[in-house]
Amino acid sequence: SQELEQSPQSLIVQEGKNLTINCTSSKTLYGLYWYKQKYGEGLIFLMMLQKGGEEKSHEKITAKLDEKKQQSSLHITASQPSHAGIYLCGGYKGGSNYKLTFGKGTLLTVNP
Amino acid sequence: GAGVSQTPSNKVTEKGKYVELRCDPISGHTALYWYRQSLGQGPEFLIYFQGTGAADDSGLPNDRFFAVRPEGSVSTLKIQRTERGDSAVYLCASSFLSGAQETQYFGPGTRLLVL
Repeated sequence: SQELEQSPQSLIVQEGKNLTINCTSSKTLYGLYWYKQKYGEGLIFLMMLQKGGEEKSHEKITAKLDEKKQQSSLHITASQPSHAGIYLCGGYKGGSNYKLTFGKGTLLTVNP
Repeated sequence: GAGVSQTPSNKVTEKGKYVELRCDPISGHTALYWYRQSLGQGPEFLIYFQGTGAADDSGLPNDRFFAVRPEGSVSTLKIQRTERGDSAVYLCASSFLSGAQETQYFGPGTRLLVL
C-alpha cells in the first residue's frame, strides 16, 4: 500500500502556467525525495529535502518541506513541455534509512 | 559517468517460466536496491544490498523471488515459476552509501510481461 499521498493524480496545464504538486505523509519523514519519471528513462532525481522548513530550487522547480516534515510541495514556474512526465515523491520513515516509500505519482501534461 | 543500467529493457515470458533481471549499479556504489512498480503505482521496495549481502529482503513477495549480488557490484533478480501477477516494471537503484542523506539513483527498469 502507498503510504505517501500525492495530489493531484493528474494535471494538465498550458505552457507558461505555474503549478504545484503536493505530497503528504501521516508520519514524520526523514528525507523526502522528488523524482521525475518518463517512459523508458526510469526515475530521474530532482531534489532531496531533509530539514523541516527546508526549501530548494533548481531552474524553474522549487520544492519545500514543512516544519513537521510531513508535507512537501513541488512548484514549477512557467511550465514548459519538457516538464511533462510523472512526478513521484519518496520518503524515508522512522526505522529505515534505505527503504524509500513512494506516492502513486502525479501525471503532468503541458500543452504547447 | 555511466548511470545505473538494467537488462533486458523488456522481457516477455510465459506463465511458469524462470526469468533473470540484471542490474549494473553506478561504479563505486556500495548500496543496491530493487523496487517493483505496477501500473499506476509508485515503486515498492523489494530488497536492499549493502555490499554482497542482502541486508533487508522483507519486500520480496514470496519465495519465488530471489536476488544475489555475489561480488558487491552487479545484481541479479531471479523469479521462478512466473505468474501473470508478476508483470510490472522492475527498477534497480544504487547509492554510494545507505542512509537518509544518500540519494538513490535509478536505472531505466525492466518491463516484465508474463503471459
